[in-house]
Amino acid sequence: GQNIDQPTEMTATEGAIVQINCTYQTSGFNGLFWYQQHAGEAPTFLSYNVLDGLEEKGRFSSFLSRSKGYSYLLLKELQMKDSASYLCAVRDPAAGNKLTFGGGTRVLVKP
Amino acid sequence: GAVVSQHPSRVICKSGTSVKIECRSLDFQATTMFWYRQFPKQSLMLMATSNEGSKATYEQGVEKDKFLINHASLTLSTLTVTSAHPEDSSFYICSAGTALGNQPQHFGDGTRLSIL
Repeated sequence: GQNIDQPTEMTATEGAIVQINCTYQTSGFNGLFWYQQHAGEAPTFLSYNVLDGLEEKGRFSSFLSRSKGYSYLLLKELQMKDSASYLCAVRDPAAGNKLTFGGGTRVLVKP
Repeated sequence: GAVVSQHPSRVICKSGTSVKIECRSLDFQATTMFWYRQFPKQSLMLMATSNEGSKATYEQGVEKDKFLINHASLTLSTLTVTSAHPEDSSFYICSAGTALGNQPQHFGDGTRLSIL
């Protein structure tokens, strides 16, 4: 089976850093994706990891450890507009390369 | 700019109506399109995978006669919710991908369906 776990909610202060963890157990692995979703909107692509290590893109960074089945999304210099749900998704070639999503982490940024 | 266009963005209709939602890839050929449904405060649930020129593959528990999917070209897939009822009210989102495994799926803007 496939299982992707991430925390349900996190709260942080504007200007701070927040790390959202994601652990996964899948039959196969062909990349891990992070998406941002604001309430009432569709997800937007943030980052993609297929090899171990850190991918940095501006204020957002994503890390992957395939041996541990673990990833995190790091949000730096938090802004109020970063309040959203963050979805971790794994692409599994054993499942036709479709994405399996975690439950999402709602991040609330407070002034 | 948007690479996947989804239309309409919102539908309100009476129970028993059939509703068609279109999903278009704008600047690439989407060999595969995915249809998701999302209820409030829940994550995306995959309904079906649509491959161009072949029948869609439905996830367990999704009625294929209720949710008709057509993927007639590399840039267009449609989802028709037949004889919709209030319990079908949800946020429907499509995404499109290519045969290249390292490319991310891009999502359409979603369709909010409300059945009265």
